[in-house]
Order: sequence, then structure tokens, then C-alpha cells
Amino acid sequence: EVQLVESGGGLVKPGGSLRLSCAVSGFSFSGYSMNWVRQAPGKGLEWVSSISSRSTYIHYADSVRGRFTISRDNAKNSLYLQMNSLRADDTAVYYCARNGPGGSYEDYWGQGTLVTVSS
Amino acid sequence: DIQMTQFPSSLSAFVGERVTVTCRASQTINNYLNWYQQKPGKAPKLLIYAASSLQSGVPSRFSGSGSGTDFTLTISSLHPEDFAIYYCQQTYNTPRTFGQGTKVEFK
Repeated sequence: EVQLVESGGGLVKPGGSLRLSCAVSGFSFSGYSMNWVRQAPGKGLEWVSSISSRSTYIHYADSVRGRFTISRDNAKNSLYLQMNSLRADDTAVYYCARNGPGGSYEDYWGQGTLVTVSS
Repeated sequence: DIQMTQFPSSLSAFVGERVTVTCRASQTINNYLNWYQQKPGKAPKLLIYAASSLQSGVPSRFSGSGSGTDFTLTISSLHPEDFAIYYCQQTYNTPRTFGQGTKVEFK
């Protein structure tokens, strides 16, 4: 069974940092590109970042470029999102999601972890 | 960035009704269009990928169509468990962008 489990969310002050993790199981992690997608409270979905299977290709939304860093450890079956210089508008549930075969859709999602940026 | 516009933003329907949600891209995206269903407090669930391919395990009452800029999600006969928010997403280029969502509610 494919499972993605996010962790690392919490309350942080503006300007602070947080590192999210996504532990995966049930599939060959090293063979798939991965994404982070977020959803602010009561709002729609926003793609944040993606990373290819061997970390060769990395992309970011303009809203987080220069502040967030995506990475992965294929030996540990884990995806990460280092978030620095956090702002109030980064408050959201953060989901990790697998790119399906072919890479053009997210076929499995974690349950999400809530990040709240507030003083 | 490619803008995705869904309409309607919400709709009310009876169980058993046929429901259609439309998504329009600001430029051609070929068939790089996906549909997701999200229920309160839950992660999105992939329903349709590549505009018209049904994801494994998704009931056949869900279907997708379209190409280029205009796409449609159809639920042929609404079931009680289908009341949710539906999002379209383009993956033609980066950044991947979602529509604003369509909330399907009980009538």
C-alpha cells in the first residue's frame, strides 16, 4: 500500500524556519518525482515545488523561490521542504504528493501537515 | 503562468442528477489536465488525468473530456459521497496551476 506521511508542521513566528518531512512507503521512491502542494485555510490548492527522481530537476513557485528548498533522500525514502523567512501568507496545510507514471499528475497524496506562521 | 478558470464556482444538485463542471485554460495545454476531488479535512484525490483517463479505482460515473483550452468533468449520476470540491489542474508547464474549485452541494 502506498503511503505518504508528512511531519514537521507547527506554529512559527514570522521570519522563522521550519523543515517539513514526508516519509513514503509502498513504492520505489527513487523512481518517482515528487511535489509539495499547499492549501491555505479555506482556500484552494497551490503547487509549491517539485523535484525529479534523482534531484536533477527542481522547480519552485514564484511565491516561495529563494525562501524554500526542496530535497530528497532516496536511501531514506524521504522528501523534505526547508522553509525559511516564513510569512503569514505561508500559513497552510502542506501536502506531499507523488507524480504518477509519466509525471503529469499527482496520484498519491499524504494527509498533510499544518504550518501556522503567526506572532 | 497559465490561469485555470472553473465554472460554476458552486452548484446544487440532487442525488442521481447529472453534473458537469467546466475548466478553461488561459492558453492551450493540449490534454495536460487533471481533475481532483477533495472532501473536508482530507487530501485531494485524483479522479481523471490527461483530460479523459480514469484513475484506477475511481467509479465509472466520473468522466472527463476536452483538449486545448476547454475541459469538462462529468458525473453521470450524483451519489451521496460525491458532494465535495472539485479542482482542475494543468501540468502543461511549470508552475502547475489549479482552478479555484467547484463546490458540489446537496440541493
